[in-house]
Amino acid sequence: GAVVSQHPSRVICKSGTSVKIECRSLDFQATTMFWYRQFPKQSLMLMATSNEGSKATYEQGVEKDKFLINHASLTLSTLTVTSAHPEDSSFYICSARGPLAGDPGEQYFGPGTRLTVT
Amino acid sequence: ILNVEQSPQSLHVQEGDSTNFTCSFPSSNFYALHWYRWETAKSPEALFVMTLNGDEKKKGRISATLNTKEGYSYLYIKGSQPEDSATYLCAPRAGNKLTFGGGTRVLVKP
Repeated sequence: GAVVSQHPSRVICKSGTSVKIECRSLDFQATTMFWYRQFPKQSLMLMATSNEGSKATYEQGVEKDKFLINHASLTLSTLTVTSAHPEDSSFYICSARGPLAGDPGEQYFGPGTRLTVT
Repeated sequence: ILNVEQSPQSLHVQEGDSTNFTCSFPSSNFYALHWYRWETAKSPEALFVMTLNGDEKKKGRISATLNTKEGYSYLYIKGSQPEDSATYLCAPRAGNKLTFGGGTRVLVKP
């Protein structure tokens, strides 16, 4: 149980275009999802917290107009990188808050998306 | 921003040997510590969530201990097997947020 999928796994886009990444909880409902980014040889960095039906909360230094997050249902959150530039090339990974009532805040991760902007 | 450090960054282990590595984190505002195992091209897999000082958790040949007063956790692998090769991530949690260390990359050599 507690499986999270992410699509696409890899995407290459041209500078100036927008890219949408989907994160789905497959076998549980997730009221809270998280988006992380990982640059080469660095740790996973939280970008934003996404709550179903409300606006996402962005971490300091993350541009909300550039990284649009939508959490319209209990099983789907999307991250759209708008007007992508080469410096946005990174590994993006989502997680969903665990489904169990007694679950001490566990997060279950998708497999990630490698974005390359040319 | 929490400063979470994992050491070593990488280690090679001979199959059958045991090993351990460290996660250190600020002890203030601590709520829980999470350990994940992350194999290449897969999702990070949750291993442990630890909350209490002195906690010890075990899953098969992998175990972990927690010291919240001094801000560190050890993860142990007993009798390493090639399938244990992965990056092991720790992340203290404050409220809802996880802050990840850089990971310890373990390579088990047959």
